Amino acid sequence: ETGVTQTPRHLVMGMTNKKSLKCEQHLGHNAMYWYKQSAKKPLELMFVYNFKEQTENNSVPSRFSPECPNSSHLFLHLHTLQPEDSALYLCASRGTSGRADTQYFGPGTRLTVL
Amino acid sequence: DAKTTQPPSMDCAEGRAANLPCNHSTISGNEYVYWYRQIHSQGPQYIIHGLKNNETNEMASLIITEDRKSSTLILPHATLRDTAVYYCIVRVMFSGGYNKLIFGAGTRLAVHP
Repeated sequence: ETGVTQTPRHLVMGMTNKKSLKCEQHLGHNAMYWYKQSAKKPLELMFVYNFKEQTENNSVPSRFSPECPNSSHLFLHLHTLQPEDSALYLCASRGTSGRADTQYFGPGTRLTVL
Repeated sequence: DAKTTQPPSMDCAEGRAANLPCNHSTISGNEYVYWYRQIHSQGPQYIIHGLKNNETNEMASLIITEDRKSSTLILPHATLRDTAVYYCIVRVMFSGGYNKLIFGAGTRLAVHP
């Protein structure tokens, strides 16, 4: 248990559906991240939010839309996805000083796009 | 691209020490070395990190060479539950105070009875 939770843990959706992934951190951190892990590939950074401001968009297609309403919550809105978007989506949070300057990951959402 | 290279796989007998090597020859002076592990289909778990000095915590020890071009993660008494993919990562800092972890393929450690 790292203090970072993600819901749902598993999601199956069609290409025309709209769904959202939710991440919540209980660590008092100020930065949050979305990563994608496709089968047999390294984790890829998608988005970074620092103090609720998006500081990085790693050339992610617009069918993925992040939202960070406050420093404890992060969403990833999904629409018109493709089968190749099936992957494990991981959220992480990070503090800003000392040992807190370490990213802690949630358990991930396993997404399958049909 | 990841700034580290690791062997793709290693084996270790249960109860023995597991020594996982990592090369990071292009590391800069203010960049930290981080180690995470990922048990199948779970989120990566933080293990340990260091800058110059050797570090130890309840999970592992980290040995960093004096020139900082390589490091070794040591699990002193490996158990079956330590079977996982281990990632050695150089943390990259950016202006604005945020950092990035760039993951490579990692080392798949198999602990066997």
